[in-house]
Parts: sequence; C-alpha cells; structure tokens
Amino acid sequence: DVQMTQSPSYLAASPGESVSISCKASKSISTYLAWYQEKPGKANKLLIYSGSTLQSGTPSRFSGSGSGTDFTLTIRSLEPEDFTVYYCQHYNEYPLTFGSGTKLEIK
Amino acid sequence: EVQLVESGGGLVQPGRSMKLSCAASGFTFSSFPMAWVRQAPTKGLEWVATISTSGGSTYYRDSVKGRFTISRDNAKSTLYLQMNSLRSEDTATYYCTRQAYPGIRAFDYWGQGVMVTVSS
Repeated sequence: DVQMTQSPSYLAASPGESVSISCKASKSISTYLAWYQEKPGKANKLLIYSGSTLQSGTPSRFSGSGSGTDFTLTIRSLEPEDFTVYYCQHYNEYPLTFGSGTKLEIK
Repeated sequence: EVQLVESGGGLVQPGRSMKLSCAASGFTFSSFPMAWVRQAPTKGLEWVATISTSGGSTYYRDSVKGRFTISRDNAKSTLYLQMNSLRSEDTATYYCTRQAYPGIRAFDYWGQGVMVTVSS
C-alpha cells in the first residue's frame, strides 16, 4: 500500500500570509494526488486533483505542485475561511489512502 | 444541485450487521463510480470501497474485504454498503462519495455522513 505522510499536522498563520503543506508518498504516484478541505458541518471539498489542477470553484489562491513522491499545497493570501483542516489523497492504485491531515489555525 | 444523503447508521453490537444507504440526486447516477469513505472519531479519512458505474467491478480495503459489500441500484440512484461481522474498529462516520472524473479516483461530492457505532 502507498503510505501518505502529510506535514505539518498543525500550522499557525495570520490572514494575508502564505502557507505550504507537504504530502509525501511512500512510492511514486506520478501526479495522482488530490487535496481536500474539511470544515465542520460542511461536506468535504475537493480542491485540487492531478497534483495541480484546480477543481471548479476552487479559489486561485490555492495551488498544488509536485510529482512522483513529493507534493505541496500552497495557499496564498490566507482568507479567514481558509483556517480549517486539509487532507491529501493518492489515487495511483487501490487501496486509496489519505494523509493524516493538517489543521491550519489562526495565529 | 448534487446531493448525497446517507442513512441507516446507528448503534450495533460487535458481530452484527448493518446496511447503509446513500440516496443520490442532481446528477446522472449511473454515469459515475461511487465510493464509501469513513472517518473514525478524532481520526483521519479512510477509503473503504469503490464500485464501478455498472456495479460489475468493486474494490475494498483489506480490513473490510469479505465482511463489507458495496452495491448500487442505478434505477433508484442509490448506493449501499452492507456491513457484516462488525468490529469496534469499524466505528466511524461513513461518507458516500462520487468519483470526480473517469480515471480520476478523487471525490468531488461528499455526503454529510452517517455515524456507525459498534459497541456492546
């Protein structure tokens, strides 16, 4: 199984700043990687797929990069609504696996 | 508007069975592979099973293989998860999800989830 190591687990930043979240796969997954946003009381939201393709409706301040084993989610000019939890997920093969999550908090 | 509404959760004793349903609307259900993803309390997301558009192909994580069965009724736009021989480690919120695009096994729509508690 492909293991996804996501870091950091917690991240504190201020509105307007930029942050990056890392996701590392235990073996090459090409660009078969997605990023999600989780908010309490709301359905999970697909932000990015294929490593860097923004899902329809994802604000342009979100970007994804990487291929092979190393991936990054970058959020520029943080908005108040961005402070929540983020997950990566590979879909190179079954079983599909998720990272352990990153909680983005307001500093 | 795409909607996925899960039902059928609750408290169940270890070793017993439970069947989850997911009513889909707002899209052509038969055109999309579907999946169940779960999240144990205070834990991360865990993929459980996926079913192809026709139901002819199914995929499971090892820990549920032989105990869980994913199925669908395209005429009713409904996804199911039959869970047998339940264990305490199956306790989680179960989400019905839609696979985003052909070949892209990411999930673009999620239900609100249904809680399953396995306890005596």
